[in-house]
Amino acid sequence: LAKTTQPISMDSYEGQEVNITCSHNNIATNDYITWYQQFPSQGPRFIIQGYKTKVTNEVASLFIPADRKSSTLSLPRVSLSDTAVYYCLVGRMDTGRRALTFGSGTRLQVQP
Amino acid sequence: DGGITQSPKYLFRKEGQNVTLSCEQNLNHDAMYWYRQDPGQGLRLIYYSQIVNDFQKGDIAEGYSVSREKKESFPLTVTSAQKNPTAFYLCASSLLSGGRATGTDTQYFGPGTRLTVL
Repeated sequence: LAKTTQPISMDSYEGQEVNITCSHNNIATNDYITWYQQFPSQGPRFIIQGYKTKVTNEVASLFIPADRKSSTLSLPRVSLSDTAVYYCLVGRMDTGRRALTFGSGTRLQVQP
Repeated sequence: DGGITQSPKYLFRKEGQNVTLSCEQNLNHDAMYWYRQDPGQGLRLIYYSQIVNDFQKGDIAEGYSVSREKKESFPLTVTSAQKNPTAFYLCASSLLSGGRATGTDTQYFGPGTRLTVL
């Protein structure tokens, strides 16, 4: 499974856009990129998933450059409730072990 | 109301005792997973099961055991052989898809069980 590297922590203020970048230099051709959000003492929650270029849903956008060696999760206009740990995962799920490897994630703190 | 449930939310046990954590899902998902999370750390995979009556070891299976007799249920037993069992345990499930076109299988997590061994 491809190894990912994310910043340990980030700080922001309410209303700002937050971009969290994840490096995955050894991503394989069939790997997808998935982001999860976790609040304290809760299970992680799926945010967004992508393979290339840009994906957008109602809560976030995911930008993936052409070489796919990194990806950026973009959270528009964050609020205090976005304070959480964000995990970037890379994995091929169509064959073999269909489970996820979580790193330590990025701890986002949103200030008023 | 579909979802994945874990019980109990908090569990205390004496050292040397086996303890079983419950995980049930009514999402009709094929696969189920158990993860362990220590403070300030990410999740580590203990066991997973992609089909009834079959399961595979994850990265930290030593000291744990599982069973998958029903599609809906995937209980985890923390045995006395687990050296440091105090942790937050998370169960997840996913609907296995096939092929690159459908992407990866989104995992849905339960609320977790916090186990403390005294």
